[in-house]
Amino acid sequence: KAGVTQTPRYLIKTRGQQVTLSCSPISGHRSVSWYQQTPGQGLQFLFEYFSETQRNKGNFPGRFSGRQFSNSRSEMNVSTLELGDSALYLCASSRDNPGDGYTFGSGTRLTVV
Amino acid sequence: AQSVTQLGSHVSVSEGALVLLRCNYSSSVPPYLFWYVQYPNQGLQLLLKYTSAATLVKGINGFEAEFKKSETSFHLTKPSAHMSDAAEYFCAVSDQGNTGKLIFGQGTTLQVKP
Repeated sequence: KAGVTQTPRYLIKTRGQQVTLSCSPISGHRSVSWYQQTPGQGLQFLFEYFSETQRNKGNFPGRFSGRQFSNSRSEMNVSTLELGDSALYLCASSRDNPGDGYTFGSGTRLTVV
Repeated sequence: AQSVTQLGSHVSVSEGALVLLRCNYSSSVPPYLFWYVQYPNQGLQLLLKYTSAATLVKGINGFEAEFKKSETSFHLTKPSAHMSDAAEYFCAVSDQGNTGKLIFGQGTTLQVKP
């Protein structure tokens, strides 16, 4: 079966711009989570969506936002980009039981210049 | 708050040697525990998970981990390292009631020498 698909794979943006990243979960998975991965901070949880509702949120500024559509696809948006937003952004999906584990996509590598 | 500590940011072993990657967690209630592997420029792949069933968990690629509540540990082992095991490994914990959120350790880079 198809895995978690993230687009685009690579992105270069200028400071001050905004960006939208997309994530298509595994069919049947209704929970989608987003993580930011940087060399300095490691893997940090951004937020989780379930049935189009944000169910959990990490400690990131309001410039980071997301949404989920009725088909469970999710997008995250970062406004007013800063150099420090350069990172690998990972999306993970699951059915709705934390014990099932989470399947990750290959990520979107965002570079802010 | 939950936390995960991985002892050793870099571990180097010879091909064929035992692999031992250490993970300790802090939790007041039994959590769900996971080990993930990440190859360069890729996402995370689930190796194995503990969900309060058997304390010895077997995963893919010959890896296994043992949940020890008394030591709050969930160390990852593999009897014989292969060159293809060279990657970064992450231990993660999830609250049973905190869906969608994994808390990760800082990761351990495994180097396998020929």
